[in-house]
Amino acid sequence: DAGVTQSPTHLIKTRGQQVTLRCSPKSGHDTVSWYQQALGQGPQFIFQYYEEEERQRGNFPDRFSGHQFPNYSSELNVNALLLGDSALYLCASSTWPGAAYGYTFGSGTRLTVV
Amino acid sequence: KNEVEQSPQNLTAQEGEFITINCSYSVGISALHWLQQHPGGGIVSLFMLSSGKKKHGRLIATINIQEKHSSLHITASHPRDSAVYICAVPLRYSGGGADGLTFGKGTHLIIQP
Repeated sequence: DAGVTQSPTHLIKTRGQQVTLRCSPKSGHDTVSWYQQALGQGPQFIFQYYEEEERQRGNFPDRFSGHQFPNYSSELNVNALLLGDSALYLCASSTWPGAAYGYTFGSGTRLTVV
Repeated sequence: KNEVEQSPQNLTAQEGEFITINCSYSVGISALHWLQQHPGGGIVSLFMLSSGKKKHGRLIATINIQEKHSSLHITASHPRDSAVYICAVPLRYSGGGADGLTFGKGTHLIIQP
């Protein structure tokens, strides 16, 4: 039974570019949440998707957008990359609504903006 | 918004010692999560609990809902337990609706042989 799969594992982008990160949830899960973890910090909630809609959003600018597909997989898009966007991006899947049912985390995508 | 405080931030102990990590939060919750993160980033969920106590191997997690406090204990600690341990709770009390997690800053545990 595959857990949460994230791709790519590592990525280097130039300031101003756009990036797309991908997440496949654990089998049986229908909700995907995205988190940003800067070096030495705890993860910060970006947003959560369920039924192809954004259900909750953390304190992130509109440059951060997402999408969920009918097969429950999800993408995180970041436009106009800044150096400060360099971080580990974690995806977590769960059964709606998530908080009371537990999460499975992926290994993350390490994004470096130069 | 829920606020999470974890202590200690850093902990170095000798193999075999009993370890305790504490977590306090500010708003009532449906469940609290203890997570483990190794260098390289991947997060593993250790426990999700809403009351009482849970045990898995040498790990024990307790929660006191009235006091908004939880503890993670490791018995007979081993160098392979070295990792960052993170407490997480729902971002805000949403009564069953959508809820991301807010995380503590983590406890960096090193167990020396």
